[in-house]
Amino acid sequence: KQEVTQIPAALSVPEGENLVLNCSFTDSAIYNLQWFRQDPGKGLTSLLLIQSSQREQTSGRLNASLDKSSGRSTLYIAASQPGDSATYLCAVMASARQLTFGSGTQLTVLP
Amino acid sequence: KAGVTQTPRYLIKTRGQQVTLSCSPISGHRSVSWYQQTPGQGLQFLFEYFSETQRNKGNFPGRFSGRQFSNSRSEMNVSTLELGDSALYLCASSGPRGLDTQYFGPGTRLTVL
Repeated sequence: KQEVTQIPAALSVPEGENLVLNCSFTDSAIYNLQWFRQDPGKGLTSLLLIQSSQREQTSGRLNASLDKSSGRSTLYIAASQPGDSATYLCAVMASARQLTFGSGTQLTVLP
Repeated sequence: KAGVTQTPRYLIKTRGQQVTLSCSPISGHRSVSWYQQTPGQGLQFLFEYFSETQRNKGNFPGRFSGRQFSNSRSEMNVSTLELGDSALYLCASSGPRGLDTQYFGPGTRLTVL
């Protein structure tokens, strides 16, 4: 059974810092890995999707990497801003077409 | 292009009642998935539909059911509501393979009293 772990559970940083969020998964037989952000009481916003054959994806200040063999992914956020404050969720998709989610990292960026 | 829409946004029901939630996917998307989010269990997969057929189902009791219509809109139904069914129910749509980027709706907040 696939399990996804995210560390740390919560993170507080001053504005302008670069930061890394970590995600690990137990079964490397995945199709892709997706990073989402969730604002309180809202739905999920897709940030980046990495296919299993890819090593990284970039979008603006965000960069996500994938090491399938070791079961790890990182989300790098450059020059953090207060508007980046949210919960960041990592999810992997395997053949069953269902996402298995981690429990998330709650990020607070202090002005 | 309009995003995934879910109705209603909020629902309050009492134990024993049943409820139907609706999801309209992004235009052209034919795969629709449902997830339950609770503080204790996080996000858990309910089921996935494509072309009116359920392709996959998560580990939930039979009280949870769904369907998909020919226009790809989907509904999920929960019968005999329990207090533990209180949750945010999220719908996601994606391309035909169901393996592409999942786009989520804003969710329906269900409270069972």
